[in-house]
Amino acid sequence: AQTVTQSQPEMSVQEAETVTLSCTYDTSESDYYLFWYKQPPSRQMILVIRQEAYKQQNATENRFSVNFQKAAKSFSLKISDSQLGDAAMYFCAYRSASGGSNYKLTFGKGTLLTVNP
Amino acid sequence: DAGITQSPRHKVTETGTPVTLRCHQTENHRYMYWYRQDPGHGLRLIHYSYGVKDTDKGEVSDGYSVSRSKTEDFLLTLESATSSQTSVYFCAISTREMRVISYNEQFFGPGTRLTVL
Repeated sequence: AQTVTQSQPEMSVQEAETVTLSCTYDTSESDYYLFWYKQPPSRQMILVIRQEAYKQQNATENRFSVNFQKAAKSFSLKISDSQLGDAAMYFCAYRSASGGSNYKLTFGKGTLLTVNP
Repeated sequence: DAGITQSPRHKVTETGTPVTLRCHQTENHRYMYWYRQDPGHGLRLIHYSYGVKDTDKGEVSDGYSVSRSKTEDFLLTLESATSSQTSVYFCAISTREMRVISYNEQFFGPGTRLTVL
């Protein structure tokens, strides 16, 4: 079974600075997808960024980028120019590319990000 | 917006009573999921469905049952609620099968906060 580990329960960053959230995972599969979800106080789960394991290029979405290290099974999220609205719980998630998995997500326990003005 | 609604949004009930949570989607997605979110645990899969009347267990299925008689509705039932089932429940759908360009995403409903006294 796959596992996802977020080793930082809480992180803080100054507004306009850069912060990196860590995520490691364990799998025996070679083809899979990785995601970062954001959960603000509203509780809504919002997809921030996704990475396909077969792609070597790191995904980027505006101020959000990932550092995907497949051999190390590491998938960190970098938030640049942090804004107050980035304050939220962030979840790393894994999904097998195999249809036999029925596309289920496995989540880490989350990292609570605080942005200080 | 994947057109996912959950009802009720909040519920307080007593131990031993039955509770049914409803997830409704408007876009005819095949795959639907129920997760629960608890502090320190992230989101954990309860049950999922891969079609009408096709369901299977997730990692924390004890004490829960599901039904899917129509594509658009996925019901989660707590036959006899216990205090350990106090949680926030999320429904999700997967877009894997419906897009020409698949981003293999899961979209989430707004969540239901359930309190069992």
